[in-house]
Amino acid sequence: DAKTTQPNSMESNEEEPVHLPCNHSTISGTDYIHWYRQLPSQGPEYVIHGLTSNVNNRMASLAIAEDRKSSTLILHRATLRDAAVYYCILRPYGSGNTGKLIFGQGTTLQVKP
Amino acid sequence: KAGVTQTPRYLIKTRGQQVTLSCSPISGHRSVSWYQQTPGQGLQFLFEYFSETQRNKGNFPGRFSGRQFSNSRSEMNVSTLELGDSALYLCASSLTQHSGANVLTFGAGSRLTVL
Repeated sequence: DAKTTQPNSMESNEEEPVHLPCNHSTISGTDYIHWYRQLPSQGPEYVIHGLTSNVNNRMASLAIAEDRKSSTLILHRATLRDAAVYYCILRPYGSGNTGKLIFGQGTTLQVKP
Repeated sequence: KAGVTQTPRYLIKTRGQQVTLSCSPISGHRSVSWYQQTPGQGLQFLFEYFSETQRNKGNFPGRFSGRQFSNSRSEMNVSTLELGDSALYLCASSLTQHSGANVLTFGAGSRLTVL
């Protein structure tokens, strides 16, 4: 499975945008890029995913590089509730793979008031 | 709609005992996966069930087992518990199996402490 690389930690001020980077230089053409986050004392929570084009939803935006070797999760206005560990995960297309996620160490986001 | 429900939320066992954890997926979800989370190893995939059949298995010893029932509910069992089995056990469910775009919904987890 292709691997992802994320910074261990990042800090942000409340109500400012946050850009969380992820490198995935060995991504294959059929790998989807998923982001999950885990708030303290909770299970992971889906944030967003994409394949080639940038994506937006109510939680965040996902910017994918043209060569797909990196991506950035964008939180437009960080709140204290966004303090969590953010995981960037590659998901291959194909049978037998969808229930299996390979979690790295993720990025611990600290949001300051 | 109801989310993924895991029971029990907390439990304490002693070494050598066995434990069974239960997971009720979101209604209509047929795939159930289990994960172990520890401070040292992070989140690790245990196994996945789809239509009552184990489809994927992670790198865990045979003491870890699971099953899925016809209503998609799943259980996992750990026999001969060791101190290192203390962890948060997470269950996740998803709709279909054959897509890399498939999204997982996780439960809150079962916190197991082995003394």
